[in-house]
Amino acid sequence: GAVVSQHPSWVICKSGTSVKIECRSLDFQATTMFWYRQFPKQSLMLMATSNEGSKATYEQGVEKDKFLINHASLTLSTLTVTSAHPEDSSFYICSAEGRANYEQYFGPGTRLTVT
Amino acid sequence: RKEVEQDPGPFNVPEGATVAFNCTYSNSASQSFFWYRQDCRKEPKLLMSVYSSGNEDGRFTAQLNRASQYISLLIRDSKLSDSATYLCVSENTGTASKLTFGTGTRLQVTL
Repeated sequence: GAVVSQHPSWVICKSGTSVKIECRSLDFQATTMFWYRQFPKQSLMLMATSNEGSKATYEQGVEKDKFLINHASLTLSTLTVTSAHPEDSSFYICSAEGRANYEQYFGPGTRLTVT
Repeated sequence: RKEVEQDPGPFNVPEGATVAFNCTYSNSASQSFFWYRQDCRKEPKLLMSVYSSGNEDGRFTAQLNRASQYISLLIRDSKLSDSATYLCVSENTGTASKLTFGTGTRLQVTL
């Protein structure tokens, strides 16, 4: 149980385009999902907290108009990187919080490369 | 100063060795602590929670010292499969739990 999927697992896009990443909790409902970013040899950094049916809460320094988050259902949150630039190239990981024990279950991550 | 600090390593140890990792945290309001394991290009996976009373799971022992704001992980009888990056994580619970990750300590177990 407690499986979280992400799609796509990797993506290469051109500078200026937008990329959507999906995060799904496959066998449980998640009121809260989290989006992290990890640059090489660095720690996971929380970008935003996504709550079903309401606006996401962004961490300081994360542009909400650039990283659009939608959490339309209890099993799906999406992150759209708009007008991507090479410096947005990173490993994006989502997690979903279990309603029973509040543990965070991580997705396998999406590796984004912007050329 | 980073909220969670770890020695990045790498720690290179032979199979069968005992190795210990340390971590310090700066936010005294942090309520819970964890060790996660992350393999290269993969998502982090929960290894174990950390309690003041100590927590042991097979070859792994974790300890929390709130007075010193210090967390440790001990791995006994290291296996090749233990090679990974070990992430020290603190959690602040409020309206939603918020995890803060250290940069991780790289472990390489060799023959």
